[in-house]
Amino acid sequence: EVQLAESGGGLVQPGGSLRLSCVASGFTFSSYWMSWLRQPPGKGLEWVANIKHDGSDKYYVESVRGRFTISKDNGKNSLYLQMNSLRAEDTAVYYCARADNHGWNGWGQGTLVTVSS
Amino acid sequence: QSALTQPASVSESPGQSITISCTGSSGDVGTYDLVSWYQQYPGKAPKLMIYEVFKRPSGVSSRFSGSKSGNTASLTISGLQAEDEADYYCCSYAASVTYVFGGGTKVTVL
Repeated sequence: EVQLAESGGGLVQPGGSLRLSCVASGFTFSSYWMSWLRQPPGKGLEWVANIKHDGSDKYYVESVRGRFTISKDNGKNSLYLQMNSLRAEDTAVYYCARADNHGWNGWGQGTLVTVSS
Repeated sequence: QSALTQPASVSESPGQSITISCTGSSGDVGTYDLVSWYQQYPGKAPKLMIYEVFKRPSGVSSRFSGSKSGNTASLTISGLQAEDEADYYCCSYAASVTYVFGGGTKVTVL
């Protein structure tokens, strides 16, 4: 069974930084592309970033490119999202998910990031 | 990237069928057979229901089916049940390893 557990969310001021983590179990983490997705309170889902199984390629939604960095440590079965220069519009529940056939089959419970002064 | 267009809400009685549309463009839905659908209950993580337009992951009920015509993808739920009341989101690949979601549809079982 795919299990994903995010951590690292919290309250941060505009312009600040935060690092999210996601620990995976129940599957061969090193064989899968992984993703971060987010959902602002009361709103819809948005894809944020993808990383190739070996960490060699990374892709971002335009609104976070240059501010967020996705990374993967296959030795620790862990996925990360470094978020810099945070804005109010980045406020959301952030989910890590396993990428499968251009969909996401396996999601964490999410971690809330609130950007506010 | 523009979001895909879904109806805000759909309502129907138990046992009936509903179809949720998801309209994109030639840059996403119209070009790629890589549309997925997600079910989400309040306060919970999304669950994959359909991938690659019509394929169902193991464990997903056969009452859920997907299709596509031109720039519009559709999710059909047949034999509607109370447990199907949830939000549903479509998503499409949109080139260069990027993805775009629809705004979501709230399904109410009357």
